Amino acid sequence: EVQLLESGGGLVQPGGSLRLSCAASGFTFGIYVMSWVRQAPGKGLEWVSSISTSGHITYYADSVKGRFTISRDNSKNTLYLQMNSLRAEDTAIYYCAKVFYASTWNAAFDSWGQGTLLTVSS
Amino acid sequence: EIVLTQSPGTLSLSPGERATLSCRASQSVSNNYLAWYQQKPGQAPRLLIYGASSRATGIPDRFSGSGSGTDFTLTISRLEPEDFAVYYCQQYGSFPLTFGGGTKVEVK
Repeated sequence: EVQLLESGGGLVQPGGSLRLSCAASGFTFGIYVMSWVRQAPGKGLEWVSSISTSGHITYYADSVKGRFTISRDNSKNTLYLQMNSLRAEDTAIYYCAKVFYASTWNAAFDSWGQGTLLTVSS
Repeated sequence: EIVLTQSPGTLSLSPGERATLSCRASQSVSNNYLAWYQQKPGQAPRLLIYGASSRATGIPDRFSGSGSGTDFTLTISRLEPEDFAVYYCQQYGSFPLTFGGGTKVEVK
């Protein structure tokens, strides 16, 4: 059974930093593109970032480009999101998500974690 | 960036009725790489439909997707009590990946 378990969320002051983790199990982590998707309280879904199987290719939403860094450690089956220069508008539940097909960017998200809440507030 | 517009924002229906949800893209979605997700309060989204019309594993056949290019539809043939939720479309054909704003299906 695929499992994605996010951690690392919490309360951070504006301008602060935080790193989220997503521990994966139940599938061959290293052959799937992985992504982060967020959801502000009471709002819709927003894609944040995606990373290739090797970790060498990354994509970001304009809203986080230059502030967030996605990475992965295939030896630890773990996905990361380093978040710097945090703003109030980054407050959201952050989900990690796995794509449906191996070794491709063009696939829907078939598995999601339960999410971790980031609150940016003074 | 491909903007996805979902309509209506809210759909008020009774169990047993048919639900028709629309997702319109600002430009053609590559290879019809369009997915639909269901989200219930306090839960992560669940994949229903991918490739515009293929049901994901374990999804009941009352859910169906159709459309191509810029116009897509999710149909729930007969609403069950567990189907009342928010539904999102998403395109995964080009970056940035984008989601629609969602349609809430509520009990009338």
